[in-house]
Amino acid sequence: EAGVTQFPSHSVIEKGQTVTLRCDPISGHDNLYWYRRVMGKEIKFLLHFVKESKQDESGMPNNRFLAERTGGTYSTLKVQPAELEDSGVYFCASSQGGQGTGQPQHFGDGTRLSIL
Amino acid sequence: AQKVTQAQTEISVVEKEDVTLDCVYETRDTTYYLFWYKQPPSGELVFLIRRNSFDEQNEISGRYSWNFQKSTSSFNFTITASQVVDSAVYFCALDTGFQKLVFGTGTRLLVSP
Repeated sequence: EAGVTQFPSHSVIEKGQTVTLRCDPISGHDNLYWYRRVMGKEIKFLLHFVKESKQDESGMPNNRFLAERTGGTYSTLKVQPAELEDSGVYFCASSQGGQGTGQPQHFGDGTRLSIL
Repeated sequence: AQKVTQAQTEISVVEKEDVTLDCVYETRDTTYYLFWYKQPPSGELVFLIRRNSFDEQNEISGRYSWNFQKSTSSFNFTITASQVVDSAVYFCALDTGFQKLVFGTGTRLLVSP
């Protein structure tokens, strides 16, 4: 079974440009999550999809970030325009089960985003 | 509010030593789940274990063992007879049922030959 895959593994862009990150969850997992780790700090939740619907987007930092999951399969996270403080590692995860089940989330390798 | 504290930033041991990674959590919820993840140098986060708040039994899996104590709000992780391949960053995380993991800052474990 393929795990969570993220693309690209590393992206370097200039401030003001646009970047789109992609995540393919484990097949059959309805739940898809985005997290971010900035400057060696703790990994922080960004948002949670259940199928194609946004279940919780309370962690999204501002409106420069847009996440989509059309068709309930893969997801994209777009940053437009990118700012210096957006640099970090963006992780995607997926899981089975619903709220309250505590199913483990399985993570991808992350995308390291560097804003110059 | 939920919080996870991993006070040990970095631990260095020599191979075959035992090592314990500490995790202290805060939550007012009575139902919650605790997790440990391993991040090797390759970068991916690897799920190790899940514990729910109603199960305080300790668990052992090979050289790994976990000690969950609700009285001290701790979920510590012990590696027995450490090996070089155990070198990684280890994260403790909390889920209060809303599928939003709260992570600690991680403990970097360096095991030297």
